Amino acid sequence: GAGVSQSPSNKVTEKGKDVELRCDPISGHTALYWYRQSLGQGLEFLIYFQGNSAPDKSGLPSDRFSAERTGGSVSTLTIQRTQQEDSAVYLCASSLDLQGARETQYFGPGTRLLVL
Amino acid sequence: AQKVTQAQTEISVVEKEDVTLDCVYETRDTTYYLFWYKQPPSGELVFLIRRNSFDEQNEISGRYSWNFQKSTSSFNFTITASQVVDSAVYFCALRPTSGTYKYIFGTGTRLKVLA
Repeated sequence: GAGVSQSPSNKVTEKGKDVELRCDPISGHTALYWYRQSLGQGLEFLIYFQGNSAPDKSGLPSDRFSAERTGGSVSTLTIQRTQQEDSAVYLCASSLDLQGARETQYFGPGTRLLVL
Repeated sequence: AQKVTQAQTEISVVEKEDVTLDCVYETRDTTYYLFWYKQPPSGELVFLIRRNSFDEQNEISGRYSWNFQKSTSSFNFTITASQVVDSAVYFCALRPTSGTYKYIFGTGTRLKVLA
């Protein structure tokens, strides 16, 4: 079956521009997570969704970052007025739900963002 | 504060050697989950194991084994008889069980297994 997909796979933008990153979770997965992976760093939690609601947004680095999820499926991470320090790989993961073994996360291939 | 430390940035071993990847965590929560993930070269993160803090039994899965020691806040991962296909970046992660599904990841250990 299809895994988690993310688009675009690569994005180059100029400082100050807005970008939208998309995540398509595995069909039927109710939980969705966004992470940022900078060079030489681990994964930095950004936000997670249960259904369409985001119980924990504490990882969003600033108010330039926002995310939404509609229809319990696709999620979009938006970065406004991009800065060079936003350059990273943005990873999305989904899980069946948040119970026990069904919490296992399946990761997408990531979107590599470069801000010039 | 919640923190996961993987002090080994990179390890190189020769095929068939055993290798242990260290993971030390900090949390004030009394219950939590610990995880290991594998990220192959140019590949996606793959889940390896989930361990509840109540369960201190070691686990073995084929050539992989995990040693959880609550007393030292460590959750180390050993690969026995390593193979070239084990070459990857391995991440340890922590999730408290109270109120959030926010995962705390370590910075990863890059394992290179040489033929």
